[in-house]
Amino acid sequence: DVKVTQSSRYLVKRTGEKVFLECVQDMDHENMFWYRQDPGLGLRLIYFSYDVKMKEKGDIPEGYSVSREKKERFSLILESASTNQTSMYLCASSFETGSGEKLFFGSGTQLSVL
Amino acid sequence: TQLLEQSPQFLSIQEGENLTVYCNSSSVFSSLQWYRQEPGEGPVLLVTVVTGGEVKKLKRLTFQFGDARKDSSLHITAAQPGDTGLYLCAATKTTDSWGKLQFGAGTQVVVTP
Repeated sequence: DVKVTQSSRYLVKRTGEKVFLECVQDMDHENMFWYRQDPGLGLRLIYFSYDVKMKEKGDIPEGYSVSREKKERFSLILESASTNQTSMYLCASSFETGSGEKLFFGSGTQLSVL
Repeated sequence: TQLLEQSPQFLSIQEGENLTVYCNSSSVFSSLQWYRQEPGEGPVLLVTVVTGGEVKKLKRLTFQFGDARKDSSLHITAAQPGDTGLYLCAATKTTDSWGKLQFGAGTQVVVTP
């Protein structure tokens, strides 16, 4: 079975802390994504990566950075957490089919910044 | 402003009833996807539609892509409690490059026994 694993289900951090969210996939997918999900706003793309050490900004990259040192691992970094970064964070990996990308999501990390 | 507008935002029905949720936009899409997300889990892909006017069926779920590839609907026949979840549509604009999958805000469906 396809698996995308996010390191934590729940995290509580303080304003100004550096936060690392880790994601690992076991499907040998080249493409990986980080989204945040907020009520009424749906999923918004933060960053994505199509290869090791490659990254592309999504729609809301401000305040975030990413790291992809190995194919299976994609990390999201909040350099200095702020309260408006309290959210559900979802990682995904994907492969290309004849009819578009097929995304597989992890279970999410609910981050609270106090 | 959401690129993809989903309606209704919330739907509560009894087991056995039918329901339809909608995903609309002013943009043209190369393809459109529907996901279902259950509490505490990530979204799971249900279907991808590619061709204008396309209809796909997945057991009691029927998905339709609009002729102009700007909108889509999901119809559930004889809903069951297991259909409860957040239904999300997602699409990539024809003018966008790969990776820019946009999501709607979702329709929360609750089916009570």
